[in-house]
Amino acid sequence: NAGVTQTPKFRILKIGQSMTLQCTQDMNHNYMYWYRQDPGMGLKLIYYSVGAGITDKGEVPNGYNVSRSTTEDFPLRLELAAPSQTSVYFCASSQTTNTEAFFGQGTRLTVV
Amino acid sequence: GENVEQHPSTLSVQEGDSAVIKCTYSDSASNYFPWYKQELGKRPQLIIDIRSNVGEKKDQRIAVTLNKTAKHFSLHITETQPEDSAVYFCAANSLYGNNRLAFGKGNQVVVIP
Repeated sequence: NAGVTQTPKFRILKIGQSMTLQCTQDMNHNYMYWYRQDPGMGLKLIYYSVGAGITDKGEVPNGYNVSRSTTEDFPLRLELAAPSQTSVYFCASSQTTNTEAFFGQGTRLTVV
Repeated sequence: GENVEQHPSTLSVQEGDSAVIKCTYSDSASNYFPWYKQELGKRPQLIIDIRSNVGEKKDQRIAVTLNKTAKHFSLHITETQPEDSAVYFCAANSLYGNNRLAFGKGNQVVVIP
């Protein structure tokens, strides 16, 4: 099992550009999450999904969109990138809310 | 939804001493409480977890205790070593409203050699 795989690992975007952060898991987990982590700070939930076709907003959803067309994939879309979106983004998955959540290796995004 | 708070935000300990981090949660229906360790530049990884039907769980030098009445749980690290230096996140599952795992803001633990 590869676990949770995120791509890319690093990206520099110009203000106003768009991009999609990819996340895929091969553990057949129902729950998937997107977090952002600013330097020296904790994890802030952007969006999460409890299963294919179902998504919901977290604490900081503005400026982002997600989709969950399959169990495996949970891409995060940034439209009109802003400097405030400079952060490290982590995708995670778990089978239920009372089992281990596995994290991807993270995507370091810089918006200039 | 669930609200999880961690204290203290930063903890410095001498190598060999013990470290204790406490978390409080708000949802009395929560039944799963994991702790994650994040080393610098790495992803968070589970180190220990506890369920609501158990008061304490131990794994070598780390242990977690749960007080359901007071709605708090704590991570205990004994005989700390430099490799224990990291950020530690607690979490609790939210069973009502937003059905998800809610994380605390993290504690920076620094072990001084």
